[in-house]
Amino acid sequence: KQEVTQIPAALSVPEGENLVLNCSFTDSAIYNLQWFRQDPGKGLTSLLLIQSSQREQTSGRLNASLDKSSGRSTLYIAASQPGDSATYLCAVGDSNYQLIWGAGTKLIIKP
Amino acid sequence: DAGVTQSPTHLIKTRGQQVTLRCSPKSGHDTVSWYQQALGQGPQFIFQYYEEEERQRGNFPDRFSGHQFPNYSSELNVNALLLGDSALYLCASSTLAALYEQYFGPGTRLTVT
Repeated sequence: KQEVTQIPAALSVPEGENLVLNCSFTDSAIYNLQWFRQDPGKGLTSLLLIQSSQREQTSGRLNASLDKSSGRSTLYIAASQPGDSATYLCAVGDSNYQLIWGAGTKLIIKP
Repeated sequence: DAGVTQSPTHLIKTRGQQVTLRCSPKSGHDTVSWYQQALGQGPQFIFQYYEEEERQRGNFPDRFSGHQFPNYSSELNVNALLLGDSALYLCASSTLAALYEQYFGPGTRLTVT
């Protein structure tokens, strides 16, 4: 059974710092991996989707990497801003087109 | 273009009662998935509807049931509510051709007392 873990559960950093969020999964037979952002009262927003054949995806200040063999993904946020404060979740897509989710990392960017 | 909408936003029910949550998918989407998210946890897949049929189901008891209407909107029904059913219920829509590309609504916060 696929299990997805995110460490740390919470992170607080000063504005302007670069930071890395981690996601690990137990079964390397994945179709893809997504990083989502969750803001209170606004649901989930997909940030980046990495197909199983890809190593990384970039969007603006965000870069996500995928290492299937080691069961790991990282989300790199450059030059963090207070508006980046949110909970970040990773989700693995399996062969049944289902998403298996981590519990998330709550990120606080201090001005 | 309105995205995924859900109603109501918040709901308080008593143990043993029944509840119905509603979801309207993003325009052009024909598939609706429902998730339960307990506080501090990631979403758990409940079930998915396509062409008014339950296409897939997660590990949830039969107290959880759903429906999809011809206009692709969907309802989630929960019978005999338990305290443990208190959670944020998320609806996501997609197309059958791109099931991984899900768009989420803001959720319904259900509190069972």
